Amino acid sequence: AQRVTQPEKLLSVFKGAPVELKCNYSYSGSPELFWYVQYSRQRLQLLLRHISRESIKGFTADLNKGETSFHLKKPFAQEEDSAMYYCALLAWNSGGSNYKLTFGKGTLLTVNP
Amino acid sequence: DAGITQSPRHKVTETGTPVTLRCHQTENHRYMYWYRQDPGHGLRLIHYSYGVKDTDKGEVSDGYSVSRSKTEDFLLTLESATSSQTSVYFCAISDPFSDSSSYNEQFFGPGTRLTVL
Repeated sequence: AQRVTQPEKLLSVFKGAPVELKCNYSYSGSPELFWYVQYSRQRLQLLLRHISRESIKGFTADLNKGETSFHLKKPFAQEEDSAMYYCALLAWNSGGSNYKLTFGKGTLLTVNP
Repeated sequence: DAGITQSPRHKVTETGTPVTLRCHQTENHRYMYWYRQDPGHGLRLIHYSYGVKDTDKGEVSDGYSVSRSKTEDFLLTLESATSSQTSVYFCAISDPFSDSSSYNEQFFGPGTRLTVL
């Protein structure tokens, strides 16, 4: 069974400091990973996905299959980055007819002025 | 925001009463999901649907049932609510067989805050 681990429940940094939110996964198949973000009083939304290899709002995440990790990074944190961040793993069933997302427990990032 | 609404947005009920939450979408997406969000547990999948009348259990399905009689609506029912079901419930949709670049993205509703006294 697949599993997603976010080891930090809370992460606090100062504005302008680098930030890294950790995500590790276990999955026997080929992983497809995502980061979702939930700002205060807003609905969850996709931040980025590994297959796109894009940078969104200054955030990047690289899939490291050797370390089974998909850490989210930003070189200079901003106060508006304060939010709950969830790492998620997509897993297809054996027949490839449907899939589920498994979410980590989330990391609450606070960026202090 | 994708066209996803949830109703009611807030509900307070008593232990033992039945509760039904509704998720409505206007995107014609095939997949619909119900999650609960709790501090320290993150998001946990309750049930999901991959088509009309096609549903499957998630990791925390005990005490919940679902129905999907048409593409746009996915109902979550607590047959006899318990205090442990106090939570924020999120509906999500996706369409993994879409041609668009967002084919595996899940779009979330605004959430329903349920309190069981």
